[in-house]
Amino acid sequence: GAVVSQHPSRVICKSGTSVKIECRSLDFQATTMFWYRQFPKQSLMLMATSNEGSKATYEQGVEKDKFLINHASLTLSTLTVTSAHPEDSSFYICSARAGQGHGETQYFGPGTRLLVL
Amino acid sequence: GESVGLHLPTLSVQEGDNSIINCAYSNSASDYFIWYKQESGKGPQFIIDIRSNMDKRQGQRVTVLLNKTVKHLSLQIAATQPGDSAVYFCAENVQTGANNLFFGTGTRLTVIP
Repeated sequence: GAVVSQHPSRVICKSGTSVKIECRSLDFQATTMFWYRQFPKQSLMLMATSNEGSKATYEQGVEKDKFLINHASLTLSTLTVTSAHPEDSSFYICSARAGQGHGETQYFGPGTRLLVL
Repeated sequence: GESVGLHLPTLSVQEGDNSIINCAYSNSASDYFIWYKQESGKGPQFIIDIRSNMDKRQGQRVTVLLNKTVKHLSLQIAATQPGDSAVYFCAENVQTGANNLFFGTGTRLTVIP
């Protein structure tokens, strides 16, 4: 299957700092990328959807000024958690889809665990 | 969001037995469904998918069954192995709107050696 990578895999930062997480599709061009958040023992919660070259679409309740998403190329999307606080500590997972067609498979990255002290 | 849920939050099976993980969905407009496996500390891994014009699809050791009448989806794992221990999520794709996936709550499968 297609490969999606994330970097870093784990990050610890101080409260008030910003953290950038990269998501790359390694062997295909991702027209659409998704960012999810997952709390322990819970399901994945979609945060936002981004299409290459356009602004991200955020889900209700997700602050766009706090979670900045950039999808500048067909193989890279970044999520920046600005002015991070302890409640932002979570497992962040990206996924990528090659096309916008209905039913196309989403491939997930390995996730980034963020711990804000 | 859409409602995709699981009947059993945990499931323990003996190694070698078959496993059945169930999922209920609420939106009759959904026509594409995926099962993902998530191991601890990792991202979800695609297992198998099925479109609504089918009621059964088989992969390697896995079978997905879809019953559109009662909006129910199941994942069957044959000859379950310790490496199958993980959390399994079903996800549905809704035709209209943003064309996003909606995930169920997950079932933790534990395989007893």
